[in-house]
Amino acid sequence: GAGVSQSPSNKVTEKGKDVELRCDPISGHTALYWYRQRLGQGLEFLIYFQGNSAPDKSGLPSDRFSAERTGESVSTLTIQRTQQEDSAVYLCASSLWARHNEKLFFGSGTQLSVL
Amino acid sequence: KQEVTQIPAALSVPEGENLVLNCSFTDSAIYNLQWFRQDPGKGLTSLLLIQSSQREQTSGRLNASLDKSSGRSTLYIAASQPGDSATYLCAVQTGANNLFFGTGTRLTVIP
Repeated sequence: GAGVSQSPSNKVTEKGKDVELRCDPISGHTALYWYRQRLGQGLEFLIYFQGNSAPDKSGLPSDRFSAERTGESVSTLTIQRTQQEDSAVYLCASSLWARHNEKLFFGSGTQLSVL
Repeated sequence: KQEVTQIPAALSVPEGENLVLNCSFTDSAIYNLQWFRQDPGKGLTSLLLIQSSQREQTSGRLNASLDKSSGRSTLYIAASQPGDSATYLCAVQTGANNLFFGTGTRLTVIP
């Protein structure tokens, strides 16, 4: 596609429910990243995929968070048993290759609100 | 751990003024520094990428400089316009998947 697409754009859920967020990267981009942005704060790295290599999950805040990516296509970020502190904008980005000096292209994000 | 700081947190200027946004980072071992723009409800748009071997990059009315040894970068916006109103984020890259972001400067250009 023309850009990185994320869905849904907004998600309101009740505490304790599971949510699934989706990211469609730019076609042909091998690297995919998930970030979290809490209100008034900077972006926090969550997880990174590069082709068929094992993902870097070092940024996932707890075992309630998981992500998958099939090949070089769609990725889903799943949050189980959501908590109020999970409320944030979840941003996905992709780049052609996972190497330095490659520009990242971001989606518009999913605004998650946990009541 | 790399820390990125942006000052000021917010800035308001009248239309037409030139302005400078500041970014500092604690570890000079970086591959590049990027400036992004974020509009409300939208994702980040890459504006400029300065490689560690470069001193500056220019795109239109934007000019970004990098002083790696002192851990500083500036984003200069010439002849500001109301459409420039957004949050500007800088980020330093230290590895393929290591990108450290500042908390941003929220710019308002008053018509």
